[in-house]
Parts: sequence; C-alpha cells; structure tokens
Amino acid sequence: DAGVIQSPRHEVTEMGQEVTLRCKPISGHNSLFWYRQTMMRGLELLIYFNNNVPIDDSGMPEDRFSAKMPNASFSTLKIQPSEPRDSAVYFCASSLRGLAKNIQYFGAGTRLSVL
Amino acid sequence: EDKVVQSPLSLVVHEGDTVTLNCSYEVTNFRSLLWYKQEKKAPTFLFMLTSSGIEKKSGRLSSILDKKELFSILNITATQTGDSAVYLCAVEVPPPYTGTASKLTFGTGTRLQVTL
Repeated sequence: DAGVIQSPRHEVTEMGQEVTLRCKPISGHNSLFWYRQTMMRGLELLIYFNNNVPIDDSGMPEDRFSAKMPNASFSTLKIQPSEPRDSAVYFCASSLRGLAKNIQYFGAGTRLSVL
Repeated sequence: EDKVVQSPLSLVVHEGDTVTLNCSYEVTNFRSLLWYKQEKKAPTFLFMLTSSGIEKKSGRLSSILDKKELFSILNITATQTGDSAVYLCAVEVPPPYTGTASKLTFGTGTRLQVTL
C-alpha cells in the first residue's frame, strides 16, 4: 500500500492568497484526520471525517479554514485568505475503525509558508 | 479540556545509554494511549496501550501504562543514532457519536538526540 499521500509537499504563498492542501487516505480506511503542527503548539487536530462525513471540526481555527471529503479517497483543506500565522506543517492521517483499533497512519505532510 | 504533557522537552544522550520518556494525561474519558516516533517527516506508530501494567515491547523499546496515576513511560535501551527523533504521546478519547472514529490528543513531544 502506498500509505497516506499528501500534496503538495511544500507550498510558499503570499498573504491573502488561497491555499489548497490535498490528501489521499490509505485505501479501505474510513476515517480521515487533518492536523497542524507548529513548534509552539505541537500537533493539533483540526477536523476529522468518518465515512466522508465531518464529525468534529472544533479544532478549525477560524472561518478562513474549510475542509471537504467528496469521496472515500480524497480530501482537501483550504485556507482562504491565508495569513502568515498559518505557516506550519499540515498532516493528514487515516485509520480504519475496528480491528485496527483506531491506529492513525500519517502522510508526509505539507509544509506551508505564508509570506 | 483534554491535556497530554510530555517530559523532558528534549534530551541528549550518548549511544548505548538507556532513556526514559514520560507522558502524563488528563482526559475526560480514556480509551487508549499511543506512542509515535517522528523523524523528519510523518509520525510513525510505535505502541498502543489500553490496560494498566501492560508492558509492550518491540526490540529495545518498551512502554508501560499506569491508568491509576495517569501516566505512561517509554523506555529505550542501548540507544542508537537512529533513535534520534521526536517521540509523541497521544491519548485516544471515545468519539462523540457511536460508530464513528475516536480522536487523538497529542503531547508536544520529547526531542531525543543520540550522539556517538
């Protein structure tokens, strides 16, 4: 299995621009998680989906952030407009609820720099 | 608010030393505790512990959970330079709706550096 695939790996943009991060979960997994990692706050859960339905978005910092999961094999996290404080590494993870006991498998992350 | 605290924040040891990493937690409803290793990229899964006193072992790594005192430790014996990484502790709490996935609350990690 290819694992969780994220794109792009690096994104540099200017303040005010729209940013879209993409994630392909492990095939067969039914839960998908978006995290943000910074030195100050560590790894924070932003939102997660179960069977393509958002379950908990309480970690989404503000209305500038939105996430979608149109099907079982694709999700996006969008920031519009972006701000310098959004600079971080964004991880996507997926899991299979059930026998695998909710072990989350992470993608390689997208390093976002907002200038 | 659920809280996971790891200590120390960072650690430098010599190859061959034994290290102990600590994780304490305060959560409203505990299901399991997980340890991850993060090198330069994605966190990778190490252990999941659900019951107190159960020691998980994988080669030179082992971990114990104490549900009464609300903490876990991760031990690494005979450390190697390849053990250099950030070690993350996470606590799983049950989901808001039955039949959906749980979520993890992570600590900020312990950065371990193993030198020659």
